Amino acid sequence: DAKTTQPTSMDCAEGRAANLPCNHSTISGNEYVYWYRQIHSQGPQYIIHGLKNNETNEMASLIITEDRKSSTLILPHATLRDTAVYYCIVKGGGSNYKLTFGKGTLLTVNP
Amino acid sequence: GAVVSQHPSRVICKSGTSVKIECRSLDFQATTMFWYRQFPKQSLMLMATSNEGSKATYEQGVEKDKFLINHASLTLSTLTVTSAHPEDSSFYICSARDRSSNSPLHFGNGTRLTVT
Repeated sequence: DAKTTQPTSMDCAEGRAANLPCNHSTISGNEYVYWYRQIHSQGPQYIIHGLKNNETNEMASLIITEDRKSSTLILPHATLRDTAVYYCIVKGGGSNYKLTFGKGTLLTVNP
Repeated sequence: GAVVSQHPSRVICKSGTSVKIECRSLDFQATTMFWYRQFPKQSLMLMATSNEGSKATYEQGVEKDKFLINHASLTLSTLTVTSAHPEDSSFYICSARDRSSNSPLHFGNGTRLTVT
């Protein structure tokens, strides 16, 4: 599975959009981009995933560049409860579903 | 959405005893579940893949005789930490995927194990 690079930490003001970048320059054609987040002392929570098209759900939007070498997770109106570590994971398809977690980005939403 | 339940959420045990952690998929069937461990200020590390009806697959460096995994049904996997030592104190998290759909992995809320 392709390696990802994320900033160690980011800050965001409450009510503003949080844009979390992820670099995955070695991604291959059949690999998906997954985003999870982990609030302190809880298990990871699935947010969104995509292959090449942009995706949106009730939690967030995922923007994937045309060359697929990077992506951005957008939380449109961050709240204090969005403070968490956000993990960007690249994973191929097929029957092996295990995910490998990197260090992620600690997003702190400030009042 | 898919719910994965872990029990207990916290456990304290004495050194040398064994502890069992349960992971259940509440509203779906999972032929495969995954067990992770997370030490303070670190990321999740995959320990093993639990396969229903067959032996678990362990990651390199994880002792299969110390971390016993049983996946006896499509909705339950258990992790038993045998002869626990203080260095086994950690946050243990399981995950599972609905076998009937193309859905992502969902995670339990973790078990905080403290070995005294």
